[in-house]
Amino acid sequence: EPEVTQTPSHQVTQMGQEVILRCVPISNHLYFYWYRQILGQKVEFLVSFYNNEISEKSEIFDDQFSVERPDGSNFTLKIRSTKLEDSAMYFCASSERRGGEETQYFGPGTRLLVL
Amino acid sequence: DQQVKQNSPSLSVQEGRISILNCDYTNSMFDYFLWYKKYPAEGPTFLISISSIKDKNEDGRFTVFLNKSAKHLSLHIVPSQPGDSAVYFCAASASTPLVFGKGTRLSVIA
Repeated sequence: EPEVTQTPSHQVTQMGQEVILRCVPISNHLYFYWYRQILGQKVEFLVSFYNNEISEKSEIFDDQFSVERPDGSNFTLKIRSTKLEDSAMYFCASSERRGGEETQYFGPGTRLLVL
Repeated sequence: DQQVKQNSPSLSVQEGRISILNCDYTNSMFDYFLWYKKYPAEGPTFLISISSIKDKNEDGRFTVFLNKSAKHLSLHIVPSQPGDSAVYFCAASASTPLVFGKGTRLSVIA
């Protein structure tokens, strides 16, 4: 069964460093998302992406964050200058369509630890 | 701003019995509801969903009920199995990104 994959599974970085989290969405899906979950808190939406552009973003997704689809398969989340509070699980998700009965399928996540 | 609430952080059920997980929402624009299951160190796994035009959807041992007037949905698992032990997230959508509840940790005791 097709699935969303994410790399790396764990990333430790120093505050102020740039990190890039990678995702390979399900191949026939057209809508891509990033969510995060800070330890002990709920899963929060960061950004959605369609047709090579951001379609929606949350307040969390500030200028330190960017997303890109550099090729036909990868979808990346870049954090330019990490802060301690960026430590969280980051989940990529994809869906075939948007709106109506749209089901998003999630990857296994990347655990980011900022020291 | 808790548009989706799961008021029970945890639930313990004996193997073979029914597990009932509850979820309340405040946004009447939500028109699609999903349940995800999450094991530690893994991503949320889609379990079952329901559209706002229905009041029940069943898939094997899992049934989701939707009460629109009460803005309440529930997930029934019967019979519960030890492998069902996980955190269950309710999520809702209004043609927008998913809004998640905080989750309920289900423990099925053999």
